[in-house]
Amino acid sequence: GQNIDQPTEMTATEGAIVQINCTYQTSGFNGLFWYQQHAGEAPTFLSYNVLDGLEEKGRFSSFLSRSKGYSYLLLKELQMKDSASYLCASMDSNYQLIWGAGTKLIIKP
Amino acid sequence: NAGVTQTPKFRVLKTGQSMTLLCAQDMNHEYMYWYRQDPGMGLRLIHYSVGEGTTAKGEVPDGYNVSRLKKQNFLLGLESAAPSQTSVYFCASSVVWSGANVLTFGAGSRLTVL
Repeated sequence: GQNIDQPTEMTATEGAIVQINCTYQTSGFNGLFWYQQHAGEAPTFLSYNVLDGLEEKGRFSSFLSRSKGYSYLLLKELQMKDSASYLCASMDSNYQLIWGAGTKLIIKP
Repeated sequence: NAGVTQTPKFRVLKTGQSMTLLCAQDMNHEYMYWYRQDPGMGLRLIHYSVGEGTTAKGEVPDGYNVSRLKKQNFLLGLESAAPSQTSVYFCASSVVWSGANVLTFGAGSRLTVL
C-alpha cells in the first residue's frame, strides 16, 4: 500500500533549529515535496527533492534518501511566522501526490 | 495575477441538497485537481483533470462529479450532500517545473452538511 508518515505535532523555540521527518512508501517514486500550510490557509510549495541529498533554500533545507524512503525538512533560525503545518507528499509512478497528514509546528518565544 | 480562485469560501447545506464549487485559474495550467482535507488526514484527491474536456477519478470520487468545459475552470458538484462530505475542499492547478509537478492551491472552501 501507499503510506506517508510524519509526526503529528512538534514544538520548538524561536531562534532554534527543528527537523521534521517523513517516511514514505509509494507505488513508484517521482519525487518528494514539502508544503507549508498556515491555519485556515492554502498549502504553499516549499521544496522538491528527486535525487538523494540536501537541497538548501534560505532558512529551509530538505533532505532525501531514496534507499531509506526518508526525507526531512530542516528549519533554521525559527521565527514565530514559521508556526504552521508542514505537509510531506510523495509523487508516485502515475505522477499523483500521496500526502501525509501534516506536522503541526508550534514555535514558542 | 489572482492565481487559483475558489467560490464560495463557506457554505452550509442540509442533507440531500446539491451544490457546485467553482474553481478558476489564470495561470494557463493544464492540470487541475479537487482535494478534500479532513482533520488528522492527508489531502485526498477527489477528481482531477489533465486538460480541457477531460476528467478522471481520484482516491475518493464517490458522491462527487466534476466538469472541465474550459481550461481555466474546474467545477466540483455534490448531487445529494451527506454529512460525511463536511470538509474543507481545495482546488489546485499545476505545471511541471524542472520535472516536478508543483501545485498551486486555492484558498479553500469550507463545507458543512447538516
